[in-house]
Amino acid sequence: AQSVTQPDIHITVSEGASLELRCNYSYGATPYLFWYVQSPGQGLQLLLKYFSGDTLVQGIKGFEAEFKRSQSSFNLRKPSVHWSDAAEYFCAVGSTTGTASKLTFGTGTRLQVTL
Amino acid sequence: ETGVTQTPRHLVMGMTNKKSLKCEQHLGHNAMYWYKQSAKKPLELMFVYSLEERVENNSVPSRFSPECPNSSHLFLHLHTLQPEDSALYLCASSQDRRSDTGELFFGEGSRLTVL
Repeated sequence: AQSVTQPDIHITVSEGASLELRCNYSYGATPYLFWYVQSPGQGLQLLLKYFSGDTLVQGIKGFEAEFKRSQSSFNLRKPSVHWSDAAEYFCAVGSTTGTASKLTFGTGTRLQVTL
Repeated sequence: ETGVTQTPRHLVMGMTNKKSLKCEQHLGHNAMYWYKQSAKKPLELMFVYSLEERVENNSVPSRFSPECPNSSHLFLHLHTLQPEDSALYLCASSQDRRSDTGELFFGEGSRLTVL
């Protein structure tokens, strides 16, 4: 069965500092990997996704993530955090069977940004 | 309207009530999903409807009953709920995974409180 681990429940960074959010997955084949962001009272918005090809993927809002098969990781990074990035971030792995998407999500990392 | 719309955004109900959550997607997708989001837990996939599949999480109690009359509308019928069912219920849609990477598009959620 597929699974996702986000080891950091809560992270605090200063505005302008760099950010890395960790994600480890378990999946038997090449996974589809996603990072979503959720602001308070909102649904989830896709930041970026890895499907195949280049292991460094660029997303919206200046985020990027690197797929490392040897480490089963898909960490999210941003070189300079803005106060508006404060939110909860979810990593997800997708099944490649069937016609519907069956994403398994991690428990999320809450990001706090100090000014 | 565009995207995925959920109504109501907030719902308070007693344990003996019957209510329904509604989801509508305007993206032309052909798969729809219900997820449950509880505090400190991963998002839990409850139900999936797609052209060729209906997937149910066997751990979802029968007091939750989905209905998908067409590819644009999804309902979650609720009856005799328990206080532990209080959560944010998220609807999502996607294109058929065979022609897409399976990205989910989420609504803003329906916050359910069971008294």
